[in-house]
Parts: sequence; structure tokens; C-alpha cells
Amino acid sequence: DADVTQTPRNRITKTGKRIMLECSQTKGHDRMYWYRQDPGLGLRLIYYSFDVKDINKGEISDGYSVSRQAQAKFSLSLESAIPNQTALYFCATSDLGGAGFNEQFFGPGTRLTVL
Amino acid sequence: GENVEQHPSTLSVQEGDSAVIKCTYSDSASNYFPWYKQELGKGPQLIIDIRSNVGEKKDQRIAVTLNKTAKHFSLHITETQPEDSAVYFCAASGNNRLAFGKGNQVVVIP
Repeated sequence: DADVTQTPRNRITKTGKRIMLECSQTKGHDRMYWYRQDPGLGLRLIYYSFDVKDINKGEISDGYSVSRQAQAKFSLSLESAIPNQTALYFCATSDLGGAGFNEQFFGPGTRLTVL
Repeated sequence: GENVEQHPSTLSVQEGDSAVIKCTYSDSASNYFPWYKQELGKGPQLIIDIRSNVGEKKDQRIAVTLNKTAKHFSLHITETQPEDSAVYFCAASGNNRLAFGKGNQVVVIP
């Protein structure tokens, strides 16, 4: 089974709808992240969480919210979806590590289309 | 915050030749520099990383070099093979997060 799973894998929705993307991990990592990937723009951080009680905004958090329900679960919500939120969304996890940063493990991605 | 720039955006190489991708970063406090490979339809996967206390690291056909004075680091792939065709992202640590470059499409021509 995959260590980092994302549901759904594909989603088409309409402008103004609320949508939730879910991420689960079995790696036992404390740190979880949500990224957005757009062609030519690379990976941009939306939100991140270093433990269950910790939520931090990334560089493009406007229009998004998150919930860290447990160590293994981190959900991303779009309260009122708009077309420019059409993108590929990735969840990632990492452990703390003594040196500060360690490898991030990415899920397979969710392709979201907002009509 | 940290700003990472990646060049070139697209690189085509003949199978067996070498490929080099360069990244520059802005925050002199950054101390962790990973490279990720993304194959079509998949999430990025770490292929090599380097910390600021070393200047070079090698793993089989892949190497990364770091020049902290000039604030740039490079990915070197030798003896390229068709399976090296992918998008490659560099990143740099800063402000409790990783800042990613915009990606580089590498195409290995058989």
C-alpha cells in the first residue's frame, strides 16, 4: 500500500462549491504539507503542519483552509471554489530529523478542475 | 522569503550524454538543498540532497554540487538514459519550509 494517499485523485466541480481534498499517511511522520502545482510555476506551498496542534500558512493560502484531524490525516478545503484554483494538488509528509529538514514524501496528487 | 530560480526550463540531451541543471537561491541562511524528480502522472520523489556543510555529493550517475558563496547548486546526470526523462525540481530550505524552483523538463533522446 502507498505510504501517502490522496482522495479523490480527480475531481471536477463548479464555481462556488465547497470541496475537500484528503490526505492520509502511514509513515508516522509529524510534518504534513499541501502544495499546488501549476504548469510553469512549480510547487507552491499552501499550508503546512508540524504536529496535530500546529497549522501554518504557506505562500498561497488565500481561498484555502486546512484541518489536521490526527497525526496521519491532513485535509485541504476550498470553501468556495473558483476557476483559478484549477490545478494539481499534492500532499507531502516528512519527519522532524535532527538536522532540521529531511526528505518530503509526496502523494500521487489530486487533479482538481473548477468550471 | 527564499526565492529559488532554476535554469534552463527545458533540456534535451542525447542518450549517453550528460545533463546539468542549475539553481540559484536568495537566502544565505538556507542549509538544505534537495532535488526531486517527477515522472508523468506521479508525485515528486527525492533523488538526491545536500546540506550546507558539504560541497558535493554523488550517488551512482547523479551528483549535486553546492557553492554557498555564489548561492547556487547544480544537478549533474551522467550517461543519461531514457528513464531519466522527467521534470526535475530543485529546492532550498528557508523560514521553516522548502522553496521549490519552477521545474526543468529533461528529455533524453534515444
